Amino acid sequence: TQLLEQSPQFLSIQEGENLTVYCNSSSVFSSLQWYRQEPGEGPVLLVTVVTGGEVKKLKRLTFQFGDARKDSSLHITAAQPGDTGLYLCAGGGPHTGNQFYFGTGTSLTVIP
Amino acid sequence: KAGVTQTPRYLIKTRGQQVTLSCSPISGHRSVSWYQQTPGQGLQFLFEYFSETQRNKGNFPGRFSGRQFSNSRSEMNVSTLELGDSALYLCASSNDGREGTEAFFGQGTRLTVV
Repeated sequence: TQLLEQSPQFLSIQEGENLTVYCNSSSVFSSLQWYRQEPGEGPVLLVTVVTGGEVKKLKRLTFQFGDARKDSSLHITAAQPGDTGLYLCAGGGPHTGNQFYFGTGTSLTVIP
Repeated sequence: KAGVTQTPRYLIKTRGQQVTLSCSPISGHRSVSWYQQTPGQGLQFLFEYFSETQRNKGNFPGRFSGRQFSNSRSEMNVSTLELGDSALYLCASSNDGREGTEAFFGQGTRLTVV
């Protein structure tokens, strides 16, 4: 059972464009993390959000956690080729230790 | 501070064999989780060890097992390998299991079963 659905699954845009990736679930999570993964490498943590409605900014990346803590979004402004990669959201529930439920992933390609 | 180290990076095994993968977490981290990543299924949770005890377990057959040592280093073992076990195996290190704890991944071990 896939608890977290990401959309879109694939995204190919031109350098300088903006984009938004969505991560949705019917389950409530205590925390939600976003990762970026390059081929053959492990995921690299970008951000963790824990409060409903929380917004975090990391340079050109803006992350939002839904009020009900069931969904999240990642917005990239003025995308650059270095943003290319697989973006993964991961939800952590209460009382589940470090077991995270990963989303289906969004593969982003930024064309120079 | 050194990151999460997984060895080996690449492994080729034959069906029916067994394999052991190793993970050294970030210094001071007591929790180690293992995930399997495949193109079709994405990242799937295998199990988590905290202070040498298995704390959570995913929905994988008993052929998949693990352990954690007193220095927090962890190993996972897969016995009687099947072709479908070919995957990137990822280890994640965390300080503890409280809400919002961040997980840091190693580079993974690419296992190919032929």
